[in-house]
Amino acid sequence: GNSVTQMEGPVTLSEEAFLTINCTYTATGYPSLFWYVQYPGEGLQLLLKATKADDKGSNKGFEATYRKETTSFHLEKGSVQVSDSAVYFCALKAKNAGNMLTFGGGTRLMVKP
Amino acid sequence: EADIYQTPRYLVIGTGKKITLECSQTMGHDKMYWYQQDPGMELHLIHYSYGVNSTEKGDLSSESTVSRIRTEHFPLTLESARPSHTSQYLCASRETGLGTEAFFGQGTRLTVV
Repeated sequence: GNSVTQMEGPVTLSEEAFLTINCTYTATGYPSLFWYVQYPGEGLQLLLKATKADDKGSNKGFEATYRKETTSFHLEKGSVQVSDSAVYFCALKAKNAGNMLTFGGGTRLMVKP
Repeated sequence: EADIYQTPRYLVIGTGKKITLECSQTMGHDKMYWYQQDPGMELHLIHYSYGVNSTEKGDLSSESTVSRIRTEHFPLTLESARPSHTSQYLCASRETGLGTEAFFGQGTRLTVV
């Protein structure tokens, strides 16, 4: 079946540090890939997405590139802010799974001033 | 901004009570989902619907039930709440299509005492 693996958190960084949250997936075919963010006490919000190989999704300074050769979709940001503190979920959606979202376990990011 | 709403946001209820968690969306989406989020932040799909009168159980077994009488409404019911049902419940909806994003409600945090 399809699966998504994320690096375990929490990830603790100082403000303006570089962020990488690793995400790798297993799926047949060509899934769409997503990053969702959950701020404290809130539901999930779409952060960015990529629907085919080599696509780069970007939003709010975050980027992730769909790498089919390494089955990865790592999330990066050049300079994090305290307001980026949240839980980040990598997810995929594939036709072979009825287009269901398959989520990774989530990675908590804590940014200190 | 997502037009999907969950009520209540927080609920504390006694064991044995019947409860219904409400979820409504005004986007006309056919597909709707309920996720249970455990304390470790992992998301587990417990129910989904592809349209009116369509409901299916998800990956995680749940004692809850759902109904889909109208496109915009996807309530989740627990006939007899137990402390093991204490969790965060997230509702989501999306359009049909591989690359379409899911929109999440803000969640209902349920505590059964």
